[in-house]
Amino acid sequence: KNQVEQSPQSLIILEGKNCTLQCNYTVSPFSNLRWYKQDTGRGPVSLTIMTFSENTKSNGRYTATLDADTKQSSLHITASQLSDSASYICVVSRSQGNLIFGKGTKLSVKP
Amino acid sequence: DAGITQSPRHKVTETGTPVTLRCHQTENHRYMYWYRQDPGHGLRLIHYSYGVKDTDKGEVSDGYSVSRSKTEDFLLTLESATSSQTSVYFCATRLGGQGQETQYFGPGTRLLVL
Repeated sequence: KNQVEQSPQSLIILEGKNCTLQCNYTVSPFSNLRWYKQDTGRGPVSLTIMTFSENTKSNGRYTATLDADTKQSSLHITASQLSDSASYICVVSRSQGNLIFGKGTKLSVKP
Repeated sequence: DAGITQSPRHKVTETGTPVTLRCHQTENHRYMYWYRQDPGHGLRLIHYSYGVKDTDKGEVSDGYSVSRSKTEDFLLTLESATSSQTSVYFCATRLGGQGQETQYFGPGTRLLVL
């Protein structure tokens, strides 16, 4: 069954600290993996996209990694800011084009 | 939101009434999608369109219909609303070819069916 599992479900960190969010998937055939950020009351916004051959991709303080062998991805946030408080969604695309969404990790950054 | 607007943004309706949600895009993207988002679930695809008058079902299409008469507009209709259709509905459009496509999401419509 094609699934995307994210952990933790929720996370609280202090402003300025780093954190890492995890994504495990059992999707095939694999095309690419994206991380989206969803602010409360808004639609998801793409942070990164990685294909099978890419191990790491950065977008400012966000760094995503992909291990296609173990089917795991992580999103590392450096020097967190209050504006990082949001849900982070891992999305895996199948080669046929349809997307499999994870349930998201809700991150709260406290001052 | 990549030129995507949704209307209405909030709606309260009664069970059994028809409801139409509108998605409008200004980017001339070929592909458009309707999703619903519920607590404890990832975004789930309702219907999608790959061109004017070309639509297909997603994984949770029962009770919903769609229409696309123009590139820029994609309508989602709940034929007879039920309480289980209380949700947040997101429209998305797609840019790019196979392997690098990114979906851009609208701001969402929050629907409450009483």
